Amino acid sequence: DSGVTQTPKHLITATGQRVTLRCSPRSGDLSVYWYQQSLDQGLQFLIHYYNGEERAKGNILERFSAQQFPDLHSELNLSSLELGDSALYFCASSGTADYEQYFGPGTRLTVT
Amino acid sequence: GEDVEQSLFLSVREGDSSVINCTYTDSSSTYLYWYKQEPGAGLQLLTYIFSNMDMKQDQRLTVLLNKKDKHLSLRIADTQTGDSAIYFCAEKEGTYKYIFGTGTRLKVLA
Repeated sequence: DSGVTQTPKHLITATGQRVTLRCSPRSGDLSVYWYQQSLDQGLQFLIHYYNGEERAKGNILERFSAQQFPDLHSELNLSSLELGDSALYFCASSGTADYEQYFGPGTRLTVT
Repeated sequence: GEDVEQSLFLSVREGDSSVINCTYTDSSSTYLYWYKQEPGAGLQLLTYIFSNMDMKQDQRLTVLLNKKDKHLSLRIADTQTGDSAIYFCAEKEGTYKYIFGTGTRLKVLA
C-alpha cells in the first residue's frame, strides 16, 4: 500500500458525459501527478500540482482539467467524454524527496 | 524528442536471472527509475538511480546505468514467479516531468 488513495476504483459512463476522479496523496506530500494509461499510448503524464498550484502540463487534452485543494487532495475532471478516453487514470504523489513518486491504485474509466 | 524504449516481453525460468533493458533520450535526466506493475494494480516504485551513479544494488535488484549510451538495465537475481509483472523504466526530466517507457512484460516460468 503506497498511501495514495484514488476513488472511484471503476467508472462506467457514456460518451459526452463528464466525470470527476479523486486522489488523496500520501500524508504530508505536497505534489500530485496525474497519468493516463491506455493500451496504445502507454503511461502518459497529464499534469502536476504542487501545494495547490499547477507546475507542469503534459499531454492533457483541453477537455480535461484538474485542481488541487487546500487539504492537498486533487481532482481530475474529464468532460465531453469520448470512447478513446477509456483508460486507467493514476495519480501519484511525492514529498520532500521529490525524486520518489508513489502511485495510487488507479481509476479504471470505461466510456461506452 | 522524448522517448524511453523497452522491449515488450521477456520470459525466464524460475531461479534464473532476468535482465530488463531500457534506453532513454534525455542526457540531462537526473534520476532514472524502475517500477513494477502487477495485474490490476498501480505502479510500485522498485528502485531508482541518480544520474551520477553507474550501479545500484538493492537485495535481488541491480541497476546499471551507462550514461554514454543512455542505457539503463534492471537485473533481478533468482527470479521468482511472484516477479511476473510489467516493469517500467522512467526518467525524470527537469523538476517535475517524468517520462515512462512502454513497459516490459516479464513472465517467469516454473
